Amino acid sequence: SQTIHQWPATLVQPVGSPLSLECTVEGTSNPNLYWYRQAAGRGLQLLFYSIGIDQISSEVPQNLSASRPQDRQFILSSKKLLLSDSGFYLCAWTATHSNQPQHFGDGTRLSIL
Amino acid sequence: AQTVTQSQPEMSVQEAETVTLSCTYDTSESDYYLFWYKQPPSRQMILVIRQEAYKQQNATENRFSVNFQKAAKSFSLKISDSQLGDAAMYFCAYRIMGDSGAGSYQLTFGKGTKLSVIP
Repeated sequence: SQTIHQWPATLVQPVGSPLSLECTVEGTSNPNLYWYRQAAGRGLQLLFYSIGIDQISSEVPQNLSASRPQDRQFILSSKKLLLSDSGFYLCAWTATHSNQPQHFGDGTRLSIL
Repeated sequence: AQTVTQSQPEMSVQEAETVTLSCTYDTSESDYYLFWYKQPPSRQMILVIRQEAYKQQNATENRFSVNFQKAAKSFSLKISDSQLGDAAMYFCAYRIMGDSGAGSYQLTFGKGTKLSVIP
């Protein structure tokens, strides 16, 4: 069966520091991958999606970036974090050409000090 | 652009009673999917139920059922025999039906309804 892993589960970082959140999927190949952010009391906002290695689409302009160096690995990064980057980050996947719903990881709670 | 609206930021229900969460959406598409996701305090996003727009029959999953009104663009979730474990944020989500790359699988979420279950 397919599983999705996200880490770390929680992270506290100072303003201006770099960021790297990692997401991996097991049990499938060539998945579509997504990064969402959920600010406190808000719904989910799609940040990036990817249909393949090194193929990244950005939904909102920000100081975050995403990379997909391997088929089942999706990384969310920042060179310099802002206070507004605080939130709950969720990775999700779907199978290619699938009518199945997205499956989410357990999320990363990011706090910026 | 598609939008999803959940007009009830918070709701509460007595244990064993029934509660209905509202969701409306706006789209110009005729074929799409609708979902309800549950996010408990652990923050994991869990799929509760899904509905294909071309199906007239309302989806059901055990104690969870939907009232899908396509013409009214309404997609409410009914939870029967509410249990303490049902306490969570509930998100309504929309996705177009199609196969034009990962972008077509994007989910558009409402802002959520916080459900409390009273013992």
